[in-house]
Amino acid sequence: DSGVTQTPKHLITATGQRVTLRCSPRSGDLSVYWYQQSLDQGLQFLIQYYNGEERAKGNILERFSAQQFPDLHSELNLSSLELGDSALYFCASSVGVDSVTEAFFGQGTRLTVV
Amino acid sequence: AQSVTQLGSHVSVSEGALVLLRCNYSSSVPPYLFWYVQYPNQGLQLLLKYTSAATLVKGINGFEAEFKKSETSFHLTKPSAHMSDAAEYFCAVSDNGNTGKLIFGQGTTLQVKP
Repeated sequence: DSGVTQTPKHLITATGQRVTLRCSPRSGDLSVYWYQQSLDQGLQFLIQYYNGEERAKGNILERFSAQQFPDLHSELNLSSLELGDSALYFCASSVGVDSVTEAFFGQGTRLTVV
Repeated sequence: AQSVTQLGSHVSVSEGALVLLRCNYSSSVPPYLFWYVQYPNQGLQLLLKYTSAATLVKGINGFEAEFKKSETSFHLTKPSAHMSDAAEYFCAVSDNGNTGKLIFGQGTTLQVKP
């Protein structure tokens, strides 16, 4: 158990809908990361938050947004869903802001868009 | 931009044989390099990381990797494969020193035959 909790574990929704994925980081970790894992794209970095502030952004679609709350949990919002958004979405957390400190990954949320 | 290439999407070895998973990176500055393992239906777990200290890095579960700047490589090895090593392995490089963003390779599935 990495200590990073993601909910829900599975999500099935229809095209055009909006969903929210939730992540609780390890106790004491200030950074939260979101990654998307799909068969065709592999593991892609979406976004990093550090202590409530956006720190780095990857190829995150405009239909996707994220935030980190004062209690440090994070949510990833996916809207106007398309079939191609079906993927495994991972959250990770680390103590520091850079990659020297180890990032711990949650078990992921598997999103299926039908 | 940083990138990593993992040579071979599937590697099959016999139990007790040497494991060698290949990773080459492209970076304009000395990078931080990582190997992660993903077991079925689980998140990623850090095996080892290189952060410009010793070039031979020892990780968990008997794995090690050697940073070779002249070859821009960071291959993962284990002297003797165990059935429990069957998993998907990802090589990753840090994007830069200011964030925790990681750029992952496409992954290598390791099969261990009895």
